[in-house]
Amino acid sequence: GENVEQHPSTLSVQEGDSAVIKCTYSDSASNYFPWYKQELGKRPQLIIDIRSNVGEKKDQRIAVTLNKTAKHFSLHITETQPEDSAVYFCAASDDYKLSFGAGTTVTVRA
Amino acid sequence: DSGVTQTPKHLITATGQRVTLRCSPRSGDLSVYWYQQSLDQGLQFLIQYYNGEERAKGNILERFSAQQFPDLHSELNLSSLELGDSALYFCASSGRTGLNTEAFFGQGTRLTVV
Repeated sequence: GENVEQHPSTLSVQEGDSAVIKCTYSDSASNYFPWYKQELGKRPQLIIDIRSNVGEKKDQRIAVTLNKTAKHFSLHITETQPEDSAVYFCAASDDYKLSFGAGTTVTVRA
Repeated sequence: DSGVTQTPKHLITATGQRVTLRCSPRSGDLSVYWYQQSLDQGLQFLIQYYNGEERAKGNILERFSAQQFPDLHSELNLSSLELGDSALYFCASSGRTGLNTEAFFGQGTRLTVV
């Protein structure tokens, strides 16, 4: 089955700096890669996603890159703000199952 | 509001007991996923149903079972409960326009086994 590894497990950044989270996946059949943000005590919510036919996607301060050959994808958050503090999960889907990474706890220091 | 409804929100029960968690997916979504999130842990995939049929299975214990009914709501049954089963159980749904689309999460059911 699919195995998604996510690094780092915790990330502390100064407000205004960038944050990068990296994920690798094992199943070459995976073709959909969403990123979810989970604030304390709340449900995970989609923040951005990318499909296998696209190498990069950007939405304001958030961008995701995908390298299918290397089987890795990354989330980039620029100009971080206090409200970016949360747990971020990457995921990979092969049309049947959505498998999540272990999560990255991001803390933005004021 | 994601459109996914989970009941109950909180559940406290004793070891050895059996509970049923319920999930109503977004209108039109055919896929339902169940995840377990223990304290300070990630989202562990349990099982997925698509239009009433089991589609994928994760590390779901034999004491746990699930089903999706004709009206597409789903239930997760947990039996012979142990202290370690205490966790937040999320249901997610997707598939309104295709199989591989955004999954929307319910607010979760917090299960406490005492």
